[in-house]
Amino acid sequence: KQEVTQIPAALSVPEGENLVLNCSFTDSAIYNLQWFRQDPGKGLTSLLLIQSSQREQTSGRLNASLDKSSGRSTLYIAASQPGDSATYLCAVLTQGGSEKLVFGKGTKLTVNP
Amino acid sequence: EAQVTQNPRYLITVTGKKLTVTCSQNMNHEYMSWYRQDPGLGLRQIYYSMNVEVTDKGDVPEGYKVSRKEKRNFPLILESPSPNQTSLYFCASSLVRVGYEQYFGPGTRLTVT
Repeated sequence: KQEVTQIPAALSVPEGENLVLNCSFTDSAIYNLQWFRQDPGKGLTSLLLIQSSQREQTSGRLNASLDKSSGRSTLYIAASQPGDSATYLCAVLTQGGSEKLVFGKGTKLTVNP
Repeated sequence: EAQVTQNPRYLITVTGKKLTVTCSQNMNHEYMSWYRQDPGLGLRQIYYSMNVEVTDKGDVPEGYKVSRKEKRNFPLILESPSPNQTSLYFCASSLVRVGYEQYFGPGTRLTVT
């Protein structure tokens, strides 16, 4: 059974810092991995999607990497801003007879001005 | 504007009173799914649909029903709600199941007393 773990559960940094959020998964048989952002009381916004054949994806100040063999992904946020404060979730779409999207529990990020 | 809409956004009901949460997408997506989000448990998939008239169970289907009679709509039905179904519910869609990012609705906060 696929399990997705995100560490740390919460992170507080001063504005301007570069930071890394971690995501690990137990079964490397995945189609893709997706990073989401969730603001309080809101839905999820997709940030980056990495296919299993890819190593990384970039969008603006965000860079996500994928090491499928070791079951790890990182989300790098450059020059953090208070507006980046949110909960970040990673999710993997697993292969097999019952493909499903399995989520981590998220990292709550606070960027202090 | 491409979006997933859910109604109602907030609902307080009593045990046993049947309810339906609607979900609609305007992106002609084939794949739609329902999740519930609970503190400490993260997001868990309830049901998903690969296309019209094709649905399957996710991780926590007990107490829920779904139907997919039209491509754009995927309602979630609680025939006899119970307090343990108090949760935040999200509908999501993607072009197809694999390879494309998932778009999420704004969420429906359900309280069953």
